[in-house]
Amino acid sequence: DTVVTQTPLSSPVTLGQPASISCNSSHSLVHSDGNTYLSWLQQRPGQPPRLLIYQISKRFSGVPDRFSGSGAGTNFTLTISRVEAEDAGLYYCVQATQFPYTFGQGTKLEIE
Amino acid sequence: QVQLVQSGAEVKKPGASVKVSCKASGYTFTTYDIHWVRQATGQGLEWMGWMNPHSGNTGFAQKFQGRVTMTSDTSINTAYMELSSLDFDDTAVYYCTRKPFPSAFWGQGSLVTVSS
Repeated sequence: DTVVTQTPLSSPVTLGQPASISCNSSHSLVHSDGNTYLSWLQQRPGQPPRLLIYQISKRFSGVPDRFSGSGAGTNFTLTISRVEAEDAGLYYCVQATQFPYTFGQGTKLEIE
Repeated sequence: QVQLVQSGAEVKKPGASVKVSCKASGYTFTTYDIHWVRQATGQGLEWMGWMNPHSGNTGFAQKFQGRVTMTSDTSINTAYMELSSLDFDDTAVYYCTRKPFPSAFWGQGSLVTVSS
């Protein structure tokens, strides 16, 4: 199975400051079709996950442009340019290149 | 608009089975695979498997092989996930979601509690 490792697991960040979360996979996430199926999800307490970013860097409709994704191969990053209070929650990266699909452990973003 | 509405909370004894439903609306049900993901309380997300409502084809994570069944009833646009031989560590919220995975469309989650 492809192991996906997120760092940090917890990230205190000051309102208005940038934040970044890293995601590393044990195998390349480049699919045989040439795409890389690495996505980022946000989850607030009691809610299902919300899709933020797919295929490394494509922002889903309605997601604020302060969220961006980057990376390639096995190393990926989610960046929030200026954190807002509503960004508090859990963030997960997930790979959908190879079965079984696997998630990172999650990163708790705490706004100070 | 696309909606996935899941069945309510269940309490089961160890060794029992549970069947969670996921009713789809707002799109052609047979066009998109349904995936199931679970989340134990305070824990991360875990992908369980997928099923194609048109063909009935399925694929599961190894740890659930032999214990999970994913089916659908296309006449009522509903997918089902049945998990058997429940143990305490199967206590979790179970989510359905749609292809492409991960989707923007998720069910609200169904809490399954395994308790003696």
